Amino acid sequence: QKEVEQDPGPLSVPEGAIVSLNCTYSNSAFQYFMWYRQYSRKGPELLMYTYSSGNKEDGRFTAQVDKSSKYISLFIRDSQPSDSATYLCAIDNQGGKLIFGQGTELSVKP
Amino acid sequence: DVKVTQSSRYLVKRTGEKVFLECVQDMDHENMFWYRQDPGLGLRLIYFSYDVKMKEKGDIPEGYSVSREKKERFSLILESASTNQTSMYLCASTLGQGRAQYFGPGTRLLVL
Repeated sequence: QKEVEQDPGPLSVPEGAIVSLNCTYSNSAFQYFMWYRQYSRKGPELLMYTYSSGNKEDGRFTAQVDKSSKYISLFIRDSQPSDSATYLCAIDNQGGKLIFGQGTELSVKP
Repeated sequence: DVKVTQSSRYLVKRTGEKVFLECVQDMDHENMFWYRQDPGLGLRLIYFSYDVKMKEKGDIPEGYSVSREKKERFSLILESASTNQTSMYLCASTLGQGRAQYFGPGTRLLVL
């Protein structure tokens, strides 16, 4: 079993839709969770950072961590064509290294 | 604002050539990382460094070496480039454990 699993998509939604992106992980000791956005042919950029369980909101983006289910989510409200990108979840493995999901390719159609 | 820069956006090299990829960060970060990213395989860690002159192997170090002579600079070296090293190479840095990593723009390397 991979330490972090993420559905690679692709996911296509109409503009204005609510998008839900998800990852599951295997080690209950993980505590630091991140979401990165990567536009085509660019490096990943940090979108959200959360510690332990709970929700974190930043504008149209909400990151959610459910440690009991070992499940992390990123919600995008009122999605825009400019949100079209690959979204990567990442978890700190307590050794200073990040474990990345495969990335979900999102396309928001006007 | 954290800034991680990589020496080249695109590189074309011949099989057998020695290739240097340079990465510089300006935020006094302790830790630096080199990844490669391939379709269907995601991000894979090649090497990382927790301090100057220190290096640790990642998941796929074969065919690569690294150098960290200064805190802000981390170089990836392909001793003898091969076609299976054609990839997107990404450098990242972070303050330490539990902190987010910040990525450079990437270098697309094509080995012919």
